[in-house]
Amino acid sequence: AQSVTQLDSQVPVFEEAPVELRCNYSSSVSVYLFWYVQYPNQGLQLLLKYLSGSTLVKGINGFEAEFNKSQTSFHLRKPSVHISDTAEYFCAVSDLDSGAGSYQLTFGKGTKLSVIP
Amino acid sequence: SAVISQKPSRDICQRGTSLTIQCQVDSQVTMMFWYRQQPGQSLTLIATANQGSEATYESGFVIDKFPISRPNLTFSTLTVSNMSPEDSSIYLCSVLTSGMYEQYFGPGTRLTVT
Repeated sequence: AQSVTQLDSQVPVFEEAPVELRCNYSSSVSVYLFWYVQYPNQGLQLLLKYLSGSTLVKGINGFEAEFNKSQTSFHLRKPSVHISDTAEYFCAVSDLDSGAGSYQLTFGKGTKLSVIP
Repeated sequence: SAVISQKPSRDICQRGTSLTIQCQVDSQVTMMFWYRQQPGQSLTLIATANQGSEATYESGFVIDKFPISRPNLTFSTLTVSNMSPEDSSIYLCSVLTSGMYEQYFGPGTRLTVT
């Protein structure tokens, strides 16, 4: 079964500093990869996705992520964070080889990003 | 994209009672799902709500505890039955839009069982 590891449960960072949130998944030949953000007391919002093509994916709010197949990673980055980026970020994977269909998402445990003024 | 609403947004319930959560989508969607997010944890898929047939449950979840209905392509309900404090969680509805491989999530229902 697919598993997703978010290495950092909490990441504090000063405003306007860069940030990287790490995500690794179990080895699989074919995957779709997603990052979601959850603001306090809200549902999940899709930040970006990788389905195929360019390994560098750009999303909303200035975030980007890079798919690295050899390292089975999909790290999320932003060059300069704002206070409004304070939220919890979830990495999710669809394992196309699982037989469960491309829709079945496996989530990581989440990373809480705290932006310090 | 899809706009999803859930009712209620939050509730406090007594042990042994049941709560039905509603999920409404603003457009017809092929697939609808129910997730649970326990405090400090990630999301766990409970089941896929199938239109016109019984839901497909994931390992560890059973129909008697989490009965699901999906009478049409825009609406589904999840009932949490015979609740215990361990059922205190956020319950989220999500939908998959055809051909997009993206799941959109509702705002969630925050359930506290006392």
